[in-house]
Amino acid sequence: DAGVTQSPTHLIKTRGQQVTLRCSPKSGHDTVSWYQQALGQGPQFIFQYYEEEERQRGNFPDRFSGHQFPNYSSELNVNALLLGDSALYLCASSLGGGRNEQYFGPGTRLTVT
Amino acid sequence: RKEVEQDPGPFNVPEGATVAFNCTYSNSASQSFFWYRQDCRKEPKLLMSVYSSGNEDGRFTAQLNRASQYISLLIRDSKLSDSATYLCVVKPNQAGTALIFGKGTTLSVSS
Repeated sequence: DAGVTQSPTHLIKTRGQQVTLRCSPKSGHDTVSWYQQALGQGPQFIFQYYEEEERQRGNFPDRFSGHQFPNYSSELNVNALLLGDSALYLCASSLGGGRNEQYFGPGTRLTVT
Repeated sequence: RKEVEQDPGPFNVPEGATVAFNCTYSNSASQSFFWYRQDCRKEPKLLMSVYSSGNEDGRFTAQLNRASQYISLLIRDSKLSDSATYLCVVKPNQAGTALIFGKGTTLSVSS
């Protein structure tokens, strides 16, 4: 049973560039949540996708956007990258709109230079 | 005030020690509570849920005090493998889906 997978593992971008991160949920899960974890901090909720719609959003600017595909996989897009966007981006999958346990993927480590 | 606050740490303890972590949350309407464990440069993994009646899983005991908005985690007979960051997590309500994480407390167990 495949767990949550994310790609790429690591990424280095320059300020002002755009980035797309990808997540495939655990088999049988239909909900994907994205979190940002800066060094030395706990993860912060960015948004959640369920039934291909953004259902809930945290306190992140519009530069952060996402998408969920019919196969439940998801993308996180960040435009106009800032140095402060450097972080570990975690994807968590769950069943039924997030009411149940969320399982985290290994994350994508983004470095903005 | 932060939504979830934890002991700053780090906690450095010898093997066999008992260690306790504390956490407070600001939203009195919060419904669900958890402790997650995160190893260095890895993803968080659910350690245990926390219930008002308290719950135990082997060497780990979690307690919730809704009146004081306080959550605790007790680890008995610490092992080297317990070294990790422990994250206190609150889910504001059943319909809400976001997990609110504390900053985490780092535990280092030495031989």
